[in-house]
Amino acid sequence: GEDVEQSLFLSVREGDSSVINCTYTDSSSTYLYWYKQEPGAGLQLLTYIFSNMDMKQDQRLTVLLNKKDKHLSLRIADTQTGDSAIYFCAESRGNTPLVFGKGTRLSVIA
Amino acid sequence: DAGITQSPRHKVTETGTPVTLRCHQTENHRYMYWYRQDPGHGLRLIHYSYGVKDTDKGEVSDGYSVSRSKTEDFLLTLESATSSQTSVYFCAISESARSSYEQYFGPGTRLTVT
Repeated sequence: GEDVEQSLFLSVREGDSSVINCTYTDSSSTYLYWYKQEPGAGLQLLTYIFSNMDMKQDQRLTVLLNKKDKHLSLRIADTQTGDSAIYFCAESRGNTPLVFGKGTRLSVIA
Repeated sequence: DAGITQSPRHKVTETGTPVTLRCHQTENHRYMYWYRQDPGHGLRLIHYSYGVKDTDKGEVSDGYSVSRSKTEDFLLTLESATSSQTSVYFCAISESARSSYEQYFGPGTRLTVT
């Protein structure tokens, strides 16, 4: 199938905002997910958005969805060193397993 | 945290040897998945199971087989390991494949094939 695309690296200074972008492929995807992977660990669900929403906010996290362009973004406000991780975008395609992007490695510089 | 364990957590094996990785869950979830994670490729689905004895292939299934004889266990077997199968392997579970259901991931198994 077609790929879910993400940039591979992002570097930000502590206290700044981080924006991680993703383009997905299936216009009928009902849910889109952001997972976080800390070093040496498995993936953990960070947040998700239902396709009939444009935005979802959860504390320091803001997810924006542009269905027309099939573009998803994750904004982390006041980025901390503990936010350093790999962030995966994933889309649902009906009743089949999630399709993941390659992941964006976020480095936070103190 | 969801009750998912993987064993072994680390393994070094030689080319041509068989290897079996085990995923064990205590959540009674119907769906179980095996992924591999490689630099530059992200997370790729190997096989998944939608019930006892019910499995299906994923994106990169060649060279791998799976078995699920009990709800709680999902085994991944490399019949004859090759160096290209050096990777980190993750198991995941979910209640359903429907898109509203979260996948929970295990801690991973790092496999090195020499």
